[in-house]
Amino acid sequence: KQEVTQIPAALSVPEGENLVLNCSFTDSAIYNLQWFRQDPGKGLTSLLLIQSSQREQTSGRLNASLDKSSGRSTLYIAASQPGDSATYLCAADNYGQNFVFGPGTRLSVLP
Amino acid sequence: EAGVAQSPRYKIIEKRQSVAFWCNPISGHATLYWYQQILGQGPKLLIQFQNNGVVDDSQLPKDRFSAERLKGVDSTLKIQPAKLEDSAVYLCASSLAPWLAGEKGQFFGPGTRLTVL
Repeated sequence: KQEVTQIPAALSVPEGENLVLNCSFTDSAIYNLQWFRQDPGKGLTSLLLIQSSQREQTSGRLNASLDKSSGRSTLYIAASQPGDSATYLCAADNYGQNFVFGPGTRLSVLP
Repeated sequence: EAGVAQSPRYKIIEKRQSVAFWCNPISGHATLYWYQQILGQGPKLLIQFQNNGVVDDSQLPKDRFSAERLKGVDSTLKIQPAKLEDSAVYLCASSLAPWLAGEKGQFFGPGTRLTVL
């Protein structure tokens, strides 16, 4: 059974810092891994999707990497801004059979 | 492109009452998911449909929860009777089938916040 964990659970940084969020999964037989952002009281917004054949994806100030052999993915946020404050979740897709989410990392970027 | 639509956005009911949630996925998306998200936790998959067939409902409490996806488009999730522990946000998501070219992952609706008193 796939289990997904995220470290840290919460993170507070000053504006402008570069930061890394971590996601670990127990079953490496994944089809893809997706990173989401969730603002309070809102649904999930897709940030990046990394397919199993890929090592990383980039969008603007965001870069996500995937290492299936070690069961890890990282989300790198460059030059953080107060608008980046949200909860970040990763989800592992086990070949379209089921999606398992991590508990999320709550990020606060202080002005 | 219109996103995933859900209604209602909020619902307050007494325990033992019934409630239903509706979801309209993105046009052309064959796969539809219902998730339950309890405050402070990540979403938990309740049921996954491929067109109008069920792919995974292993975590759906079938004694009280039911879901259907008629004609492979809209879907309804029902709870009957509701319990206090069902208070959560119910999220609907849709995606192209993973094996199709152009797969871009899941897209989520705004969710329905259910409070059971």
